Amino acid sequence: GQQVMQIPQYQHVQEGEDFTTYCNSSTTLSNIQWYKQRPGGHPVFLIQLVKSGEVKKQKRLTFQFGEAKKNSSLHITATQTTDVGTYFCAGYLQGAQKLVFGQGTRLTINP
Amino acid sequence: DTAVSQTPKYLVTQMGNDKSIKCEQNLGHDTMYWYKQDSKKFLKIMFSYNNKELIINETVPNRFSPKSPDKAHLNLHINSLELGDSAVYFCASSHLPGAKGYTFGSGTRLTVV
Repeated sequence: GQQVMQIPQYQHVQEGEDFTTYCNSSTTLSNIQWYKQRPGGHPVFLIQLVKSGEVKKQKRLTFQFGEAKKNSSLHITATQTTDVGTYFCAGYLQGAQKLVFGQGTRLTINP
Repeated sequence: DTAVSQTPKYLVTQMGNDKSIKCEQNLGHDTMYWYKQDSKKFLKIMFSYNNKELIINETVPNRFSPKSPDKAHLNLHINSLELGDSAVYFCASSHLPGAKGYTFGSGTRLTVV
């Protein structure tokens, strides 16, 4: 079926190290969205990418959407303890009108 | 003011019981959703309503029945609860399906014993 795969499932880093999570879809996406869920919390919208090859930045976070609109990545530079949480990509499938979430990458940080 | 509010926050119940979760949004969004998050944190769409019309009904047991009395409310009723129904259920809303940024409620942690 239609799936959005995300890797890695877990990532543990030292504070100050960089972090990247990758997202791949089996089908072309209309857009891709990224969410952050803090432990015990709910998913919070970070950003949406729509155009092929799009790159967006939010302070230390860089988001990319692949040329074929099937993959995406989130890169965090110089992680801080406030970055702890699970990061989800979510791809929108226009025909099915569904926002399908990846499995998430759980980021833990050693201070 | 809470944008998407769900009640209750926690629900502990016995197998075989029937329970409901309520959701309300004050964002003026036209579309509302129910997502289920299992113990591995996987978020799966269950239902989606646009202007009170059901547009997504995933492969969910028919013990789960959503109801949208108006576009600001989406409730979830679950009959004959089973152990496997234990999860966190999130309500969410957006202007349109796939629109920029779904707003999630704080979740309802359902535990079936």
